[in-house]
Order: sequence, then C-alpha cells, then structure tokens
Amino acid sequence: GAGVSQSPSNKVTEKGKDVELRCDPISGHTALYWYRQSLGQGLEFLIYFQGNSAPDKSGLPSDRFSAERTGGSVSTLTIQRTQQEDSAVYLCASSSQGVIGELFFGSGTQLSVL
Amino acid sequence: AQTVTQSQPEMSVQEAETVTLSCTYDTSESDYYLFWYKQPPSRQMILVIRQEAYKQQNATENRFSVNFQKAAKSFSLKISDSQLGDAAMYFCAYRSAMRGGSNYKLTFGKGTLLTVNP
Repeated sequence: GAGVSQSPSNKVTEKGKDVELRCDPISGHTALYWYRQSLGQGLEFLIYFQGNSAPDKSGLPSDRFSAERTGGSVSTLTIQRTQQEDSAVYLCASSSQGVIGELFFGSGTQLSVL
Repeated sequence: AQTVTQSQPEMSVQEAETVTLSCTYDTSESDYYLFWYKQPPSRQMILVIRQEAYKQQNATENRFSVNFQKAAKSFSLKISDSQLGDAAMYFCAYRSAMRGGSNYKLTFGKGTLLTVNP
C-alpha cells in the first residue's frame, strides 16, 4: 500500500490477556518506530528499528512489552498480560533516509483493556 | 534529555482568521530540528512544517508558518486563513541533529487541540 498500515484499528481485550498489534510500513522505509499515545498525553516513544541493526528498546515500559520486525518490513508489538494502564493508542511510523524527521504514521490501534 | 512543552491544551479560531500555537523546548544542543505535526480525528499524524535550527529564516508552507526564536527556545506555529479542515490536534516535536545514539527519536509535546468555528 501507499501508506503505513496498522491492524487492528481497535482492540478490546480483558485484563491479563495477550495482544498483538501489527504494523506494515511504507515499502523501502528502513526505519520503523512505535509510539504510545495515552489520553491527554503526548507521544511516548516505545521502540525503534533501523535496518538490520539491533532495535532500540529503551522506551518499552515493562518486560510485558516486546516487538519484532521480520525481514526488515512488518513489525509486531506484543503486550503480554495486559493491564488497564496499557489502554492507549499505539502508533507506528516509518521513515526513509530522505527528509530528516519526516515520519509517516499509520492510523494507530486503539487498545482498550477492560 | 530534551523536553517539549505546549502550554495551550486547547485553542479555537474563527474560520478565515489567524491563530498561533505555542511551543517551547529545552535542550543543550545547538543543532537540531523542530517540527509541527497535525493529528486529525483519523489519528494519522501528518507533518505540517519543519525547521532546521541552523537556519535563521522561518519555515513557511502555504498558510502555515513558524516563528522560531532560538535564543528563547520558542517555536510557534501560525495558521493563516484558518479552514475547517485545520481542526485537529497539533504536536510540536524536537529531534537532535547529532548522529548516533538515540538521536533519531522525536520528542513530542502533549499537543494542542485546535477547533475551527464556522
């Protein structure tokens, strides 16, 4: 597709369940970011992938959060044993080596943990 | 660590009028990039305008312009001739110009919700 695609658009889950969020970046973009947007807050950095380099996981809030990027393309963010405080919009973005700082965002996944 | 502050949680403007959104930031670096991103109800964030700190000239993109005051660490966004489609959440963001480390990350403010009244 032409843009960053995220699925599902909305996800409702029960506390304690695991969830997987998917991001399909723009073809050819080597950098991929995950951000979390909580109500009334800005965007909180979670994790960054760049090419074949080791990802920067410094923003992951706990060991319940993990992410992988397969074949330098699709990425999956996994949250294990979800908690109510995990409820947020999870945004994925990709970028190329072009305009510095120009991130192309998906529409996000709204996660609600009941 | 850099911080970005947007002191106006909400703003409103009449259609066709001008509005200015404020942003301040804190950094010890001399070279960096600043951005304004727009997030409409669709949630998909879009880059509005970008400023390189070493450039003294303020960036302009059609009806959008910035007032970049490096010494004051201020980076405001002016929207002229406001349109209904400008209604959105606007985020100010900072990125270091240094290579390596975690300098690829964008640090965002908490956003300003702009309402455009017809």
